[in-house]
Amino acid sequence: DAGITQSPRYKITETGRQVTLMCHQTWSHSYMFWYRQDLGHGLRLIYYSAAADITDKGEVPDGYVVSRSKTENFPLTLESATRSQTSVYFCASRGTGGFNSPLHFGNGTRLTVT
Amino acid sequence: AQTVTQSQPEMSVQEAETVTLSCTYDTSESDYYLFWYKQPPSRQMILVIRQEAYKQQNATENRFSVNFQKAAKSFSLKISDSQLGDAAMYFCAYRTELNYGGATNKLIFGTGTLLAVQP
Repeated sequence: DAGITQSPRYKITETGRQVTLMCHQTWSHSYMFWYRQDLGHGLRLIYYSAAADITDKGEVPDGYVVSRSKTENFPLTLESATRSQTSVYFCASRGTGGFNSPLHFGNGTRLTVT
Repeated sequence: AQTVTQSQPEMSVQEAETVTLSCTYDTSESDYYLFWYKQPPSRQMILVIRQEAYKQQNATENRFSVNFQKAAKSFSLKISDSQLGDAAMYFCAYRTELNYGGATNKLIFGTGTLLAVQP
C-alpha cells in the first residue's frame, strides 16, 4: 500500500546506545522530515531533506544524524542516546507542489531512553 | 522567524455543541499556508483543514471551518456539532509559500490544544 511507514513503533534503549529509527515512503516525495513531539513543545523539526543526498538541520538537530541515499528512505540515528531524547518521533513527507502538497505523517515511533 | 501560538492547552465541549480553538502566528511574509492537524490517541497526524493566505474566503471541510484573520494573524478552528470522535490533540501549523530550498517547506507547529468531548 502507498504511504509512509515508520519502524519500530516502540523502542526502549539504554543511555549511550546507538539507535536508528526507520522511515519509508512509497510516493517518491522529494521532501522528507523528522520531527520530535514533546509535551509543551508541539512538534519540533530535527532534520529535513529536499532530495536524495541533500539534508539539512532543523530546529533541534544535536545528537541526531540522518542520511538519504535513496528517495524513499530517511533513517534517523541517535548516535549516543540520552534521556532527553525520550520522545515520540514522526517522519513526514511531501511532494514538490505548493498548497496541494500537504505533509503526510507516519504513525510515529515512541522512543524511551533509560 | 515564524512562530505559532496556541494559547489554550486544553478545551472541553459537550457533544453536539460548537467549539473554537485559537491559533495566532507571527510572520513578516505575505504568502503562506496554514493548517490544522488532529492527533487522536492513536498518535496518527491527520490533516483537518488548510488555508492559503492570499484567499480571503475561510476554508470549510464538513463540520470544520476556520476563521482566518490575516491582519490579526489569527487562524481559529471551529468544530460544529462536536462528536466523541473529535476528541484529540489539535495542532495549528504554518508553512511559507516561498519555494527556495527545503528549509522553507518545513511546517512550524504550535504546542497543541487537547480537546475533550463530553457525552
